[in-house]
Amino acid sequence: QSALTQPPSASGSPGQSVTISCTGTSSDVGGYNYVSWYQQHPGKAPKLMIYEVSKRPSGVPDRFSGSKSGNTASLTVSGLQAEDEGDYYCSSYAGSNNFVVFGGGTKLTVL
Amino acid sequence: QLQLQESGPGLVKPSETLSLTCTVSGASINSNNYYWGWIRQPPGKGLEWIGNIYYSGTTYYNPSLKSRVTTSVDTSKNQFSLKLTSVTAADTAVYYCARHGGLWVGGLLYLNWFDPWGQGTLVTVSS
Repeated sequence: QSALTQPPSASGSPGQSVTISCTGTSSDVGGYNYVSWYQQHPGKAPKLMIYEVSKRPSGVPDRFSGSKSGNTASLTVSGLQAEDEGDYYCSSYAGSNNFVVFGGGTKLTVL
Repeated sequence: QLQLQESGPGLVKPSETLSLTCTVSGASINSNNYYWGWIRQPPGKGLEWIGNIYYSGTTYYNPSLKSRVTTSVDTSKNQFSLKLTSVTAADTAVYYCARHGGLWVGGLLYLNWFDPWGQGTLVTVSS
């Protein structure tokens, strides 16, 4: 299984919206509604932001939303804030033996 | 509040075995609804899933690492562990442990998220 494809970088001004894509195949992203997104600040552990494509864990602001179309999942951050800056990783269930695949990560910059 | 904490040597020599333990606090590792996983991140790079384990001992491993990885669980200590054999410089990374959860569908648990994560521990492979 190959890593999921994410753009290396994304940016937006405070208050704007930005969308990060995550492209896989019919064997992972496209085959199941089991995509999750993680936020990572420098030197910190990743934090779960979205699971099962569009569900938000308790405590995650509703400015973060997820969706999926075909083999591509997306994370949208609305009303960008300075603290949203960081690296974002997608992940997907990838079939037999509960295999997990991650994306390469996207560095989000708040201008 | 569930917390996970990795522990183990920060320096391992090439060709030797990397051994890490994750201690779980705030909840029992004996849960029907979760596995317990290991993920690593080489310096400046992305995340890579290593494998996971159920409290009963059932395991799943990344095929690319399967020949070198072993995970185990000690329910009496609420801990699970990772061993990676024959390490090289390419195994230098921050190693994270995390609870691995998902959705029960038709009697199968579809694991699809990690939460929470331990703080991570840097393991350097060098002589």
